[in-house]
Amino acid sequence: AAGVIQSPRHLIKEKRETATLKCYPIPRHDTVYWYQQGPGQDPQFLISFYEKMQSDKGSIPDRFSAQQFSDYHSELNMSSLELGDSALYFCASSYQGYNSPLHFGNGTRLTVT
Amino acid sequence: TQLLEQSPQFLSIQEGENLTVYCNSSSVFSSLQWYRQEPGEGPVLLVTVVTGGEVKKLKRLTFQFGDARKDSSLHITAAQTGDTGLYLCAGARKAAGNKLTFGGGTRVLVKP
Repeated sequence: AAGVIQSPRHLIKEKRETATLKCYPIPRHDTVYWYQQGPGQDPQFLISFYEKMQSDKGSIPDRFSAQQFSDYHSELNMSSLELGDSALYFCASSYQGYNSPLHFGNGTRLTVT
Repeated sequence: TQLLEQSPQFLSIQEGENLTVYCNSSSVFSSLQWYRQEPGEGPVLLVTVVTGGEVKKLKRLTFQFGDARKDSSLHITAAQTGDTGLYLCAGARKAAGNKLTFGGGTRVLVKP
């Protein structure tokens, strides 16, 4: 079965650079979520989209933005990168419905040097 | 302060022993989901519990949702080395639009 695809798997950037992370949800899933997971921490919700519209916003810095495109893939754009942005970034998708489970991708490991 | 508190944070046991992980909150959840995460990979769903008092079994894993839907537990019987990983509980609240809030995680190490 198709899973959530994230790219790239690894990304190394320098401070103040920008980064773009991509997520391709499971076909027919209509909701995409972005989570940030620091070392030894649980995933922290950043932002979500339902049917290409932003549906919820968590602890996403103003330097970050995200969108979902007509083909349902989503991109997380990160500007003015800081050392503290180094983390695993997960995308998850679900079929909108009460208590529907999230299916996670394998994440993008971002390292800011 | 975490909305969902998991305990313990770390658990190290011998193969064959039993273990229980707890997930507690003062808030009511419409559902609680349990995930297992391996290093460098995304969390993988183990189970979803939605009804207060519900008990679900998945081979050697038993999941329970509290009657008041504020807490949950995961019990593993006769743990195996393959059970090693990070166990995460995550709660969904209708008021939060089904956005999942994760507990802090319990890192389980099963030694041979």
